[in-house]
Amino acid sequence: SAVISQKPSRDICQRGTSLTIQCQVDSQVTMMFWYRQQPGQSLTLIATANQGSEATYESGFVIDKFPISRPNLTFSTLTVSNMSPEDSSIYLCSVVLLAFYNEQFFGPGTRLTVL
Amino acid sequence: GENVEQHPSTLSVQEGDSAVIKCTYSDSASNYFPWYKQELGKGPQLIIDIRSNVGEKKDQRIAVTLNKTAKHFSLHITETQPEDSAVYFCAARYNQGGKLIFGQGTELSVKP
Repeated sequence: SAVISQKPSRDICQRGTSLTIQCQVDSQVTMMFWYRQQPGQSLTLIATANQGSEATYESGFVIDKFPISRPNLTFSTLTVSNMSPEDSSIYLCSVVLLAFYNEQFFGPGTRLTVL
Repeated sequence: GENVEQHPSTLSVQEGDSAVIKCTYSDSASNYFPWYKQELGKGPQLIIDIRSNVGEKKDQRIAVTLNKTAKHFSLHITETQPEDSAVYFCAARYNQGGKLIFGQGTELSVKP
């Protein structure tokens, strides 16, 4: 598989601020996604990051709250805006790799705590 | 909409025993079924997957079975070891490159 890195690995933020999470992959990517995992819960898809165009958001997630960029095939950012304690979660970047047809891999995650 | 149900939510076994985790999916068009292992503080790791044109797949101590008629698929771990302790997630996807729908997760504990 490829190396998927996320920055930061964890952060503690104040209510009302914003945090941008970066995801970098070292291989050719066909699809790129952002997931949220609330404490003790399963994974929920936030959006599909589309290269050079607006992300495709799932029901319950909006661009104003979770703006996403994907300027090229291997890099994407997710911003969590105007944070509240309910945004405390693990945020995960996930990719489908060109060399691994149809298989989907996850990054290590960003652990966010909002006070 | 698409839905994946996973059981049990917790599973405790003795080292050396087998563990079985079961999932059902709602969309009969689903064609790809991966399993992930998530250790504490880490991202989910793909451990095995199966496609809809195959009924069973095995990789050393891990196997996955698929029953398309019943819309069931299961993960089987034999000769469990303490390092198998983790949360396991099943998922289903219904088209190439489409989104994965995840089950609720199973916390497996292997006692030495």
